Amino acid sequence: GESVGLHLPTLSVQEGDNSIINCAYSNSASDYFIWYKQESGKGPQFIIDIRSNMDKRQGQRVTVLLNKTVKHLSLQIAATQPGDSAVYFCAENIGNAGNMLTFGGGTRLMVKP
Amino acid sequence: KAGVTQTPRYLIKTRGQQVTLSCSPISGHRSVSWYQQTPGQGLQFLFEYFSETQRNKGNFPGRFSGRQFSNSRSEMNVSTLELGDSALYLCASSGMTGGSEKLFFGSGTQLSVL
Repeated sequence: GESVGLHLPTLSVQEGDNSIINCAYSNSASDYFIWYKQESGKGPQFIIDIRSNMDKRQGQRVTVLLNKTVKHLSLQIAATQPGDSAVYFCAENIGNAGNMLTFGGGTRLMVKP
Repeated sequence: KAGVTQTPRYLIKTRGQQVTLSCSPISGHRSVSWYQQTPGQGLQFLFEYFSETQRNKGNFPGRFSGRQFSNSRSEMNVSTLELGDSALYLCASSGMTGGSEKLFFGSGTQLSVL
């Protein structure tokens, strides 16, 4: 993903609704993808990951979808809660490159009570 | 299990000085990576160390360097600081040896260069 600079895209949702955060990744050779959540003053927190041999993976209240054809990744959060308010980053990794992640620019999720 | 620990939490330096940041990975983790986070450039990879060897390096000038010790603790150094080096420096560790595994991040060191 490309950095979008100072202005972060913002997604505003009502508490209890589902959220969908999208990410376009850049390298067709990437075979591992991660979503991170970052709250103010903290480091990124792992949410869920997916490898390129899958197109969907589910966790607790979260689902990641991978579309390799268009190099698109999405994070779905079910029943969004105020505690989900944060900046969300997608990251990609090429399998033979160790742990070298390329991060997207991030999306700010705001949950209205 | 304790998480990734970074020290110090905040640093203020002046241009031209040098700085050393420290990172203790999760116990048992052998891979340590460093990232720079700024509002303008987002999260950018600096370097990764595994078993005391630099395994990957990002596109940063030679003023940025790092090392890893036998206990997997890592330090990064920035020499001849510039105003643009002001950023949140994040350390992450991973327990897998082959790469392409989830990274666990510390809370970062916020560096301000005046």
